[in-house]
Amino acid sequence: EAGVAQSPRYKIIEKRQSVAFWCNPISGHATLYWYQQILGQGPKLLIQFQNNGVVDDSQLPKDRFSAERLKGVDSTLKIQPAKLEDSAVYLCASSSPRVLGEAFFGQGTRLTVV
Amino acid sequence: AQSVSQHNHHVILSEAASLELGCNYSYGGTVNLFWYVQYPGQHLQLLLKYFSGDPLVKGIKGFEAEFIKSKFSFNLRKPSVQWSDTAEYFCAVNAAGTASKLTFGTGTRLQVTL
Repeated sequence: EAGVAQSPRYKIIEKRQSVAFWCNPISGHATLYWYQQILGQGPKLLIQFQNNGVVDDSQLPKDRFSAERLKGVDSTLKIQPAKLEDSAVYLCASSSPRVLGEAFFGQGTRLTVV
Repeated sequence: AQSVSQHNHHVILSEAASLELGCNYSYGGTVNLFWYVQYPGQHLQLLLKYFSGDPLVKGIKGFEAEFIKSKFSFNLRKPSVQWSDTAEYFCAVNAAGTASKLTFGTGTRLQVTL
């Protein structure tokens, strides 16, 4: 089966600019997660969707970050405006209702804010 | 709140040496436990998981982990490492029976020398 697809793989932007990341989960996976992985740290959840509804966005900096999953499949994560501390790898993951808790990860998008 | 501690940040071993990476978690309920591996330039992949039953779980590539409930630990082991095991290893936990977020440790970078 095809894995979780993310694009772009790399992005370099200046601070105060905006950026968007795209994720296509594994077919049939109702749960979609966005994680942020800062260098030297483990991934940290930003937002979790169940179909097109938000389950957990408690760690999402809502003044600058937004995410949507309008049709319950693809998702986009946006940062506007970006700060230097947003430099990280943004990981998308999905999980199946048949195997609760096990997440499959995409390659990630490495964002550098200069 | 959940938390995961990985004691070793960077481990260097010679090929054929034995490996044990420590992982302790903090959570007030029943958990699922995971080890993920990230090879250089690749995405996070599941190495092994514990949901219930036999506390000794075997994963891919000869890895195993033992869940010791009384110690809140889930240490990863391999009797004889190979150069190809060079990667970053992450321990993670989430609430059992749910699709809730994974809480990750900070990771252990394993370097295997020839």
